[in-house]
Amino acid sequence: RKEVEQDPGPFNVPEGATVAFNCTYSNSASQSFFWYRQDCRKEPKLLMSVYSSGNEDGRFTAQLNRASQYISLLIRDSKLSDSATYLCVVNNRAFDRGSTLGRLYFGRGTQLTVWP
Amino acid sequence: EPEVTQTPSHQVTQMGQEVILRCVPISNHLYFYWYRQILGQKVEFLVSFYNNEISEKSEIFDDQFSVERPDGSNFTLKIRSTKLEDSAMYFCASSERSGLGSTDTQYFGPGTRLTVL
Repeated sequence: RKEVEQDPGPFNVPEGATVAFNCTYSNSASQSFFWYRQDCRKEPKLLMSVYSSGNEDGRFTAQLNRASQYISLLIRDSKLSDSATYLCVVNNRAFDRGSTLGRLYFGRGTQLTVWP
Repeated sequence: EPEVTQTPSHQVTQMGQEVILRCVPISNHLYFYWYRQILGQKVEFLVSFYNNEISEKSEIFDDQFSVERPDGSNFTLKIRSTKLEDSAMYFCASSERSGLGSTDTQYFGPGTRLTVL
């Protein structure tokens, strides 16, 4: 079973559109959750952390539903510069593995292209 | 803004050769990680490192792999005898802390593209 599953897309939207990405994770003991973005052949860059109460950063809103093990990202008023792959990431700090360090599990990413 | 750096940006090697990938984590970070991404696939965890020892390693991180913090700033990944399937982008990451209840956000370097011929 995959740790993190995402709709791979691609999503092709016009500038100004609102687009939503979804993600599910399998480990109910997961501790922290993130959205990263990755441009072609570049490193993942943190977009935002995701909290149960939901959080917003400008045009971006993230939600976490622990009961459903579901994470979402909403992008409003899409810009050309939003074109990238969006990675749903879950951090499991598995004390039962003898480790107190976080280990990130990545989804395969959802590709977004915003066109003029 | 502090950032993780990695060298080289691209390494080409022959199968069976040893390679060392280098990383300089963010200076006040204490927790270090290596991940890899095969072209077209997801990012995968390799190993985490703290206090000069491996904290956890994945099933990918077999005996051909090793990590080291040779001095106060560098963190290296060595692949002893490269295989064709080791061709990938290798990302180093670091985090400031990793305590229960913390966000322990991991920041990634730009990666080293390893090509094994």
